[in-house]
Amino acid sequence: GQNIDQPTEMTATEGAIVQINCTYQTSGFNGLFWYQQHAGEAPTFLSYNVLDGLEEKGRFSSFLSRSKGYSYLLLKELQMKDSASYLCAVRGYSSASKIIFGSGTRLSIRP
Amino acid sequence: GAVVSQHPSWVICKSGTSVKIECRSLDFQATTMFWYRQFPKQSLMLMATSNEGSKATYEQGVEKDKFLINHASLTLSTLTVTSAHPEDSSFYICSAVSRGGMNTEAFFGQGTRLTVV
Repeated sequence: GQNIDQPTEMTATEGAIVQINCTYQTSGFNGLFWYQQHAGEAPTFLSYNVLDGLEEKGRFSSFLSRSKGYSYLLLKELQMKDSASYLCAVRGYSSASKIIFGSGTRLSIRP
Repeated sequence: GAVVSQHPSWVICKSGTSVKIECRSLDFQATTMFWYRQFPKQSLMLMATSNEGSKATYEQGVEKDKFLINHASLTLSTLTVTSAHPEDSSFYICSAVSRGGMNTEAFFGQGTRLTVV
């Protein structure tokens, strides 16, 4: 089976940095995704990690440790528009394997 | 990035009727498409995995006779909600993985908001 855990809610201040953690236990692993989802909209892709380490993309970075079953999404220079849900998703071993989502973290940014 | 088009964006139907939702990959071939359902303030719950030319694989608790999935080509998968009831009202989203895409992202459609009255 697969189990993906992330905090339900987080609050941060505009201009600050926030780290959203995700831990997973899966039978087979072929990558971890982070998606952003605003209310009422479809998810949009943020990052994909398949190897250990940090991937940086502008204000967003994602880290993966396969041995620990752990990832985080780091958001810098927070803006009000970053208020959204952030979904961690894990993909099984083959390309046809399921992509399972965590419950999502609702991030609220305050001025 | 690759584009996945989902249609319709929203639909209202009467209880007991059927609704078909289409998911198309516009600029790539998708051997696998996933169908998700999302209730308000909840995450995406995988309903089924659709592979081109074969029967869909349904997740536990999802009725295959109620949610009919057809993946007739490498660019089109359809989900039909049969005999819809108000509890089927939800946001349905498809996702497609490109052919040979072992290490590629999954692309999402825009989603379909279904309201059954």
